[in-house]
Amino acid sequence: SQQGEEDPQALSIQEGENATMNCSYKTSINNLQWYRQNSGRGLVHLILIRSNEREKHSGRLRVTLDTSKKSSSLLITASRAADTASYFCATGKGLQGGSEKLVFGKGTKLTVNP
Amino acid sequence: NAGVTQTPKFQVLKTGQSMTLQCAQDMNHEYMSWYRQDPGMGLRLIHYSVGAGITDQGEVPNGYNVSRSTTEDFPLRLLSAAPSQTSVYFCASSYRSSSYNSPLHFGNGTRLTVT
Repeated sequence: SQQGEEDPQALSIQEGENATMNCSYKTSINNLQWYRQNSGRGLVHLILIRSNEREKHSGRLRVTLDTSKKSSSLLITASRAADTASYFCATGKGLQGGSEKLVFGKGTKLTVNP
Repeated sequence: NAGVTQTPKFQVLKTGQSMTLQCAQDMNHEYMSWYRQDPGMGLRLIHYSVGAGITDQGEVPNGYNVSRSTTEDFPLRLLSAAPSQTSVYFCASSYRSSSYNSPLHFGNGTRLTVT
């Protein structure tokens, strides 16, 4: 079953506006990652936040993690048309032997209108 | 750097046919995995490998086989294709286990249609 669930499923904004996407998950995690997927391409890693971190920044991206609420948010500031893509959260939890099965949500489709 | 290379990019099969989806990475990554992506379902893990000679099942392994004879290659075999296997397949790799401080690197996918 899916671990992470993104919200909203789709988001349409104007260039220059901020975009916020949320991710909720069900069980305890070691870390949470966000990925971007452009149409017809593979996923690209954006940012990883560990379970003991609350906030992380990377350029125009800001990720927060609230383990008590089992939720995370991805904020893209000053959006550009090139940010148009689907965004996925993925959660990881260590299993026996040290391997991990990274579980993805269904994604938020972001459209940035010029 | 080539990264993760998947072949073919597109494939059409008839029900009952078998085929192998190829995946190769040139980053000396220990961990490799296969996902399928279906509309409204997100990505689901099929099989994964934490090193040469070691494979394990993911969330949806039925109808698929994998092997890992070298660090670089991780082929996915469809034994007897079914229309339910129509999907986009992604191979991904990372330096260590999938999320131990090492993000996944994805190929550009194989779009498979089974008629």
